[in-house]
Amino acid sequence: GQNIDQPTEMTATEGAIVQINCTYQTSGFNGLFWYQQHAGEAPTFLSYNVLDGLEEKGRFSSFLSRSKGYSYLLLKELQMKDSASYLCAVRDRGVSNYQLIWGAGTKLIIKP
Amino acid sequence: NAGVTQTPKFQVLKTGQSMTLQCAQDMNHEYMSWYRQDPGMGLRLIHYSVGAGITDQGEVPNGYNVSRSTTEDFPLRLLSAAPSQTSVYFCASSPGLADSYEQYFGPGTRLTVT
Repeated sequence: GQNIDQPTEMTATEGAIVQINCTYQTSGFNGLFWYQQHAGEAPTFLSYNVLDGLEEKGRFSSFLSRSKGYSYLLLKELQMKDSASYLCAVRDRGVSNYQLIWGAGTKLIIKP
Repeated sequence: NAGVTQTPKFQVLKTGQSMTLQCAQDMNHEYMSWYRQDPGMGLRLIHYSVGAGITDQGEVPNGYNVSRSTTEDFPLRLLSAAPSQTSVYFCASSPGLADSYEQYFGPGTRLTVT
């Protein structure tokens, strides 16, 4: 079956770096997404990985290792506005019509 | 562009009542979906559509109906509300399912069933 694991909650300090991990088990991996969701709001797209390696986008980077079923989201120079939940989602060819399978999300708390 | 819009933002229903959650997008996206989000759980797919006139069930379809008569609109109907349907409902759209196409989410509907 399909499964995605992320830590439930993490705390970090403003200006620091934090890494949020995501491990997955799928039968037909076809891409991994990271979304950001502020409390009471809708998820918004952050990054997409389909090949192994690091994708960098400003202060945010996302890494993928398909052989290990592992990804991480790296946030640098943390700001208070980065306090949010970060959702990992995997597209699986084995699921009908390439649907996304979502992790429960990691709540990131930024302290001054 | 308004993106994806949802109405209402909040709703309280009594057990057994029915209602329709509205969703519309103005980006000419073929793919639309409905999710529910519950504490401690990932987004779960209720129903989805790959184009006008085509719908299919997701992971948790029971108690919900959908239709897609136009590209823009994708309403979700609760047939007979139950307390287990208390949740936050998100509608999303995407240009397609493959590759790096991201999903665009509406602001959500917070539903409480008493």
